[in-house]
Amino acid sequence: AQSVAQPEDQVNVAEGNPLTVKCTYSVSGNPYLFWYVQYPNRGLQFLLKYITGDNLVKGSYGFEAEFNKSQTSFHLKKPSALVSDSALYFCAVKTSYDKVIFGPGTSLSVIP
Amino acid sequence: KAGVTQTPRYLIKTRGQQVTLSCSPISGHRSVSWYQQTPGQGLQFLFEYFSETQRNKGNFPGRFSGRQFSNSRSEMNVSTLELGDSALYLCASSLAEGSGYTFGSGTRLTVV
Repeated sequence: AQSVAQPEDQVNVAEGNPLTVKCTYSVSGNPYLFWYVQYPNRGLQFLLKYITGDNLVKGSYGFEAEFNKSQTSFHLKKPSALVSDSALYFCAVKTSYDKVIFGPGTSLSVIP
Repeated sequence: KAGVTQTPRYLIKTRGQQVTLSCSPISGHRSVSWYQQTPGQGLQFLFEYFSETQRNKGNFPGRFSGRQFSNSRSEMNVSTLELGDSALYLCASSLAEGSGYTFGSGTRLTVV
């Protein structure tokens, strides 16, 4: 069965510092991997995806993620955090024509 | 272009009633998925439709149903509402397999 884990419920980082939000997954087959962000009382916004190709994927708002097949991880990163990055972040995984499974979410707080 | 539109934004219903939520996808998107979001359970997949056919279904009771029309608009219906059905219901549309999903702002359902 497909599953997604986000081992940290909460990540705190100082403004200007690099940030990492972790994600590991379990699927049978080749995964499609996604990161989404959710602001209070809003739907999710797509940040980036990995389907195939280069393991480092660049997305919206300066975010990037690194796909590591051997560690089955897809960590979200940003070189310099902004206060406006504070939100709830979801990692998601699917395989071809299967449903999308979301992780439990990680709350990111960027401290001024 | 217009995003994913969900109506209504807020809804208050009484236990035992039924409710219908509507989702209009981005023009050209033929895949529509529905999710239930609660603080305790996170994001849970309800179902996915593609070209009027249900392609995937999550682990929800039969009280939860959905359909998709020929114009790709989708509705989900919950019958015999329970207090535990109180949640944010999110709809997402996708252009193609492997594409990112674009989410609507959701419908906040409160069952009293």
